[in-house]
Amino acid sequence: GDSVTQMEGPVTLSEEAFLTINCTYTATGYPSLFWYVQYPGEGLQLLLKATKADDKGSNKGFEATYRKETTSFHLEKGSVQVSDSAVYFCALRKGAAGGTSYGKLTFGQGTILTVHP
Amino acid sequence: DGGITQSPKYLFRKEGQNVTLSCEQNLNHDAMYWYRQDPGQGLRLIYYSQIVNDFQKGDIAEGYSVSREKKESFPLTVTSAQKNPTAFYLCASSIELGGVPPMNTEAFFGQGTRLTVV
Repeated sequence: GDSVTQMEGPVTLSEEAFLTINCTYTATGYPSLFWYVQYPGEGLQLLLKATKADDKGSNKGFEATYRKETTSFHLEKGSVQVSDSAVYFCALRKGAAGGTSYGKLTFGQGTILTVHP
Repeated sequence: DGGITQSPKYLFRKEGQNVTLSCEQNLNHDAMYWYRQDPGQGLRLIYYSQIVNDFQKGDIAEGYSVSREKKESFPLTVTSAQKNPTAFYLCASSIELGGVPPMNTEAFFGQGTRLTVV
């Protein structure tokens, strides 16, 4: 079945450090890929997405590129801030064959990021 | 403002009781989902519904039940048969446009309900 694997956390960085959170996936067909962010006590918010190979999603200084050859969607940010402290989830989503859509999201286990001043 | 509303934010249940978690959306989305979140395990799908009056089991449906009588509403009941119900529950919705590959859509999430068995 489909699966998503994220790098183990927690990740602790100083402000303005470079961030990479690795994400790899296993899926048949053509999934769309997403990064969601969850702040303490809240639901998930979409951070960025990419729907086909070589697409780059970007938002709020975060970037991730859909690499079909390595089945990866690593999240990067050049200079993190204290306000980026949260849990980050990588996820994939695809429709079913035959024209019937079922958009189940498959999530990785989440990576806790803590940024210190 | 359009969005998904879950209530209550915190819920306490005695062992042996059923409880119902509310999820309402005004985004006119066809599909709705319930996920369970446990520390270090990511999110696991409990139930999903693509249209009114139809729903399907997800990966961990045992001990849960749902209904979809209205497009806007997808309540989740945690029954006494659920052996370990303490968790954070998240409701989500999405447009279902179909097609392979899937259309460029994402799921929108509510703020969650934290259920604790006391």
